[in-house]
Amino acid sequence: ILNVEQSPQSLHVQEGDSTNFTCSFPSSNFYALHWYRWETAKSPEALFVMTLNGDEKKKGRISATLNTKEGYSYLYIKGSQPEDSATYLCARGGALNFGKGTSLLVTP
Amino acid sequence: DADVTQTPRNRITKTGKRIMLECSQTKGHDRMYWYRQDPGLGLRLIYYSFDVKDINKGEISDGYSVSRQAQAKFSLSLESAIPNQTALYFCATSEPLKGATQYFGPGTRLLVL
Repeated sequence: ILNVEQSPQSLHVQEGDSTNFTCSFPSSNFYALHWYRWETAKSPEALFVMTLNGDEKKKGRISATLNTKEGYSYLYIKGSQPEDSATYLCARGGALNFGKGTSLLVTP
Repeated sequence: DADVTQTPRNRITKTGKRIMLECSQTKGHDRMYWYRQDPGLGLRLIYYSFDVKDINKGEISDGYSVSRQAQAKFSLSLESAIPNQTALYFCATSEPLKGATQYFGPGTRLLVL
């Protein structure tokens, strides 16, 4: 993998569903992986930064895991709510190399 | 008050015009960045600066220049604007730590006619 890739590109779930997204990245010369949440008409806001293989971070209903050896990270949302609707970006590095994001829509 | 501010928030200009987008921060961070966002392409890095005397090109620096006037200020210039520079531009800052979280400004929406 040469660039940061995210899947799926978009996702539409019902309120209460749990969901997850994938971020794949080059595993060589790794030192940090970031997840950002970006709501429409707002600025991206940091969710997590992870640096060590096996790291797991949690904030409320949202959690993330990191595998630096195989170059992927998962973001999980448990019991999705309409306010979770946003684009979720992952980024690798210092001067960040961003993926294109996963756009999540949660409908009541 | 916002920690990272950008001016203007919206701008319409014509092809060939020179324009400047400004970014100021009160977070005391050494590192500052300029990104552009295009639909379907995510955020792409234009330039970044790790301190006042440091300027580095990012992924898509052609057609842009920057000036780091002070620790708190980082300006992006389009010397001769062209329509494919129509985009949403974000400034961001971070601490001088490897892998530090970046804090984004509110964005400047630029339309080049």
